[in-house]
Amino acid sequence: QSALTQPASVSGSPGQSITISCTGTSSDVGGYDYVSWYQQHPGKAPKLMFYEVNNRPSGVPDRFSGSKSGNTASLTISGLQAEDEATYYCGSYRTSDTLDVVFGGGTALTVL
Amino acid sequence: EVQLVQSGAEVKEPGESLKISCKGFGYSFSSHWIGWVRQLPGKGLEWMAIIFPGDSKTRYSPSFQGQVTISVDKSISTAYLQWSSLKASDTAMYYCARPTYGASDYWGQGTLVTVSS
Repeated sequence: QSALTQPASVSGSPGQSITISCTGTSSDVGGYDYVSWYQQHPGKAPKLMFYEVNNRPSGVPDRFSGSKSGNTASLTISGLQAEDEATYYCGSYRTSDTLDVVFGGGTALTVL
Repeated sequence: EVQLVQSGAEVKEPGESLKISCKGFGYSFSSHWIGWVRQLPGKGLEWMAIIFPGDSKTRYSPSFQGQVTISVDKSISTAYLQWSSLKASDTAMYYCARPTYGASDYWGQGTLVTVSS
């Protein structure tokens, strides 16, 4: 069961914007608006940042935004802050005879 | 308030069995899928298996089918993950999470399993 594809790392300076991509197939990202994003700081449990592509749970700053085009979803962080440094994972519902949930490989964000 | 509370860290020897738990609070446990996510040291998140407590229907990742067993006791709102014979390669952090159409809004605090002789 292949994971969704994310870049291993991205970086940006405070105040800048960055975008993390998440590429899947028509059986997952492209087929459903059920893409989610998670933030994980070292030693902590993941935290849901977006569900259903661009829905933000309460408490998530509006500097974060989610989108999707075809088989690729994106997470954009504008006005980068030091506390945004973390690993970000995408997730998706997928058509499957076995397990119908999948994560991306994760992207480590460094705030320079 | 919805919470998932996991059992504590475990240190086991290869070949031993283990069952870890995740208790749900603050929601209708029987009405939501719940599952387990593995995170190997320094690595990413991997879904292992999910279960629907209402009817105990299970779904496993092919990578973990036959290696672990997921179960629930809905009378005490608790999900379990068990191994019959641990290997050193099972050393990892294990999280329980509540997936709804792929998005997990609630996570347990994690259970660190260390397998070493």
